[in-house]
Amino acid sequence: KAGVTQTPRYLIKTRGQQVTLSCSPISGHRSVSWYQQTPGQGLQFLFEYFSETQRNKGNFPGRFSGRQFSNSRSEMNVSTLELGDSALYLCASSTQQGLNTEAFFGQGTRLTVV
Amino acid sequence: DAKTTQPTSMDCAEGRAANLPCNHSTISGNEYVYWYRQIHSQGPQYIIHGLKNNETNEMASLIITEDRKSSTLILPHATLRDTAVYYCIVRGYSGAGSYQLTFGKGTKLSVIP
Repeated sequence: KAGVTQTPRYLIKTRGQQVTLSCSPISGHRSVSWYQQTPGQGLQFLFEYFSETQRNKGNFPGRFSGRQFSNSRSEMNVSTLELGDSALYLCASSTQQGLNTEAFFGQGTRLTVV
Repeated sequence: DAKTTQPTSMDCAEGRAANLPCNHSTISGNEYVYWYRQIHSQGPQYIIHGLKNNETNEMASLIITEDRKSSTLILPHATLRDTAVYYCIVRGYSGAGSYQLTFGKGTKLSVIP
């Protein structure tokens, strides 16, 4: 069974540009969450999607947005990139929402903003 | 989510059991304890989770105290590949149909040859 797939693995962008990251969940998983990891702030929650609906959003500016498609694949977009957006962006999927449901992470997309 | 307290770092000899403690004194009755680990620059790997009973799988055992205020993750025979940051997470309902994982700083486990 294939794991969570994130593309691209590495990305270099210039300040002011925008970027779109993709996440394909494990087959049959309907819940997708996104996290940002930086050395200073650690792993921080960005969004959670279930059945194409955003269920929750972390404390990030409106430049960060996302969506989920009918096949459960998800994308996140960051507009007007800043140097501080350089981070490892991680996606996790689970079969459903709930406290007793494991979430499995992808390998992440390493974004560097120059 | 309840906050967790973990030691910043620990060492363990290869082949010995690694016991990683976690305090979560404010945990609520319906909140689960989850453990993940992250090897450098990779995505976090799910290890195990539990509510109040002890749990065991092919990777590890999770021991939760009776009052649920603390837990211990046990790796029975640590290998060099177990060197990683281990995160203890108390997972609760975040509102609006969300059950996000809230990561702390974790414990850096170093397995020594």
